Amino acid sequence: NAGVMQNPRHLVRRRGQEARLRCSPMKGHSHVYWYRQLPEEGLKFMVYLQKENIIDESGMPKERFSAEFPKEGPSILRIQQVVRGDSAAYFCASSPREAQDYNEQFFGPGTRLTVL
Amino acid sequence: AQKITQTQPGMFVQEKEAVTLDCTYDTSDPSYGLFWYKQPSSGEMIFLIYQGSYDQQNATEGRYSLNFQKARKSANLVISASQLGDSAMYFCAMREGWDSNYQLIWGAGTKLIIKP
Repeated sequence: NAGVMQNPRHLVRRRGQEARLRCSPMKGHSHVYWYRQLPEEGLKFMVYLQKENIIDESGMPKERFSAEFPKEGPSILRIQQVVRGDSAAYFCASSPREAQDYNEQFFGPGTRLTVL
Repeated sequence: AQKITQTQPGMFVQEKEAVTLDCTYDTSDPSYGLFWYKQPSSGEMIFLIYQGSYDQQNATEGRYSLNFQKARKSANLVISASQLGDSAMYFCAMREGWDSNYQLIWGAGTKLIIKP
């Protein structure tokens, strides 16, 4: 049973380029969350998606960032016109459809974005 | 105000000793959940243990236990008989309420180094 998969693991972009980060949730999971971790800091929530729906994007910067979770295929976090401040580790997590007593999120290995 | 506070940025502990990692939290919601995650140098976020605000007993998972002191709003992680493989960053996180169980609030982490 494969866990949450993210690719690429490392991504280097020059300022002004676009970054696309992919996340395949665990089998049977339809809830996906994206987090950003700046160096020496904890994770910061960005966006929560279900299939074809953005449920909460309150943690997402208003410009240049977008996320989707199509009916088929992985969830995509897209950063347009990257700047040096976007350099961070981006984590994806998934959880089962049913959230009973608590909602444990299973994390992927992260994508480390470096903007030159 | 910080919702999750981890006051120990780094700790050195001798192998086989017990370790306590501090976490205090701040919430006015009577329903909440507290999580501990481990992040080794490889980068992935590994779930360790969970404590619900209404749980009567402290959570335990193998060598991990959570010292939950509700009145003090603390949720310290205790690792018994530490091992070299326990060297990692440790993050405390909180979920507030039942509706927002997808959005965890994270502390800044504690870097634990186990000495042989």
